[in-house]
Amino acid sequence: ELKVEQNPLFLSMQEGKNYTIYCNYSTTSDRLYWYRQDPGKSLESLFVLLSNGAVKQEGRLMASLDTKARLSTLHITAAVHDLSATYFCAVDEIQGAQKLVFGQGTRLTINP
Amino acid sequence: KAGVTQTPRYLIKTRGQQVTLSCSPISGHRSVSWYQQTPGQGLQFLFEYFSETQRNKGNFPGRFSGRQFSNSRSEMNVSTLELGDSALYLCASSRASSGNTIYFGEGSWLTVV
Repeated sequence: ELKVEQNPLFLSMQEGKNYTIYCNYSTTSDRLYWYRQDPGKSLESLFVLLSNGAVKQEGRLMASLDTKARLSTLHITAAVHDLSATYFCAVDEIQGAQKLVFGQGTRLTINP
Repeated sequence: KAGVTQTPRYLIKTRGQQVTLSCSPISGHRSVSWYQQTPGQGLQFLFEYFSETQRNKGNFPGRFSGRQFSNSRSEMNVSTLELGDSALYLCASSRASSGNTIYFGEGSWLTVV
C-alpha cells in the first residue's frame, strides 16, 4: 500500500525567510503533484513532476523530485503572507489511471 | 475556460438518507475522480471513471457508488448516510493519460445530522 508522508505538518515562519517542505513516498512512482488549499476552498494545482530530477518553479515556490530517494521537496523563498495555506503532495499510484494518494498536508503560516 | 463544476455546494442530510452529488469536468477531460476530505482522515480517493467505466476504486464501503455519463459528467451516490460521511467531497478531472494536471472542483460540503 502506497504511503505518502509530509513533514513538517505545521510550519510557522516569518516573512522573508526560506523553508522547505518534504514529501516522502513508499513506492516507485514518477508522477508527483503539489497542491495548495486555502481554508474552506478546493485544491489548486501548483506543480506536476514527472521524472527523476524534475524541477519546476513558479514565483517564490520551487518543487523538485528525486524518484530514487522517493522524495519531493517544495521550497519557499523569501516567504510572503499570501503564501499562507495548506500544501499537499500527492503521488499518482497507478500508471495509466488517475489515483492520487495524498500526504497529510503541511499547514503553513507566514507571519509579518 | 470553465473549471470543474460541482453541485450542490452545500447540503445537510439526515442519517439513513441518501445523497447524489454531481460533477461536470473541464471540457475535453475524460477522466473524472472523486475524493473525500475529512479533518481526521485527510484526502482519500473514492473512485475514478474514464469513458463511463470505473477504472479504480478506493477502500470505501459499497454505500458509496458512482457513475459517468457519455458526456463525461459524473455523479456519486452515498446511500444510508452515517454521521461519519460528513465531509467535503471533491471531484477532479484530467485528460486521459497519466501525468496530466488534475484539476479539482470547489467541492460539495455534506453534513449528516
